[in-house]
Amino acid sequence: QVQLQESGPGLVKPSETLSLTCTVSGGSVSDYYLNWIRQPAGKGLEWIGRTYIRGTTDYNPSLQSRVIMSIDTTKNQLSLRLSSVTAADTAIYYCARAGATGREFDVWGQGNLVTVSS
Amino acid sequence: EIVLTQSPGTLSLSPGERATLSCRASQSVSNIYLAWYQQKPGQAPRLLIYGTSARATGIPDRFSGSGSGTDYSLTISRLEPEDSAMYYCQQFLTSLVTFGGGTKVEIK
Repeated sequence: QVQLQESGPGLVKPSETLSLTCTVSGGSVSDYYLNWIRQPAGKGLEWIGRTYIRGTTDYNPSLQSRVIMSIDTTKNQLSLRLSSVTAADTAIYYCARAGATGREFDVWGQGNLVTVSS
Repeated sequence: EIVLTQSPGTLSLSPGERATLSCRASQSVSNIYLAWYQQKPGQAPRLLIYGTSARATGIPDRFSGSGSGTDYSLTISRLEPEDSAMYYCQQFLTSLVTFGGGTKVEIK
């Protein structure tokens, strides 16, 4: 079955760009809407955005000016870039696959903790 | 943006009891776009219910979802110790996803 694995630096300096990768195994990155979702420690979930190679890319309006998501079909990977980070961007970042209706998330990675600190 | 308000904040019940979790939307949500997740400490969320009432693959039938318009609920008919977790509702409308703040279920 499809599995997702996030990877990337665990520490990013304020004002720099956070970059994460989600590798898809057991399936093709071209076949699904893939999403990034984050969760600050002890807090709730925040959707960052979604992308689909054969469709549109949608971002959370609150982050839209700083976010870029893209797909690399040769590596079967989804990527996230979040610019001008602050301490408020410290969170566990998850990639997740959209499910049967395209509006829920049925497969999740294990998450990648990113801390923004100098 | 649709705001989802979950209640209660914490639910403390005994094994075998029935748990009813509420999720209220700030405006009407299409039924097919309401989902529920379970999250245990240190783990990613797990999809329980999608499309308001459809159970995800492998989810026991003691979990059920219902609702319409602005009011939705997740019911756990007979609590088991492993149901101790945070539960989140989620909606998707006009290409914007939002989550509720969560309900913590504690098993006495």
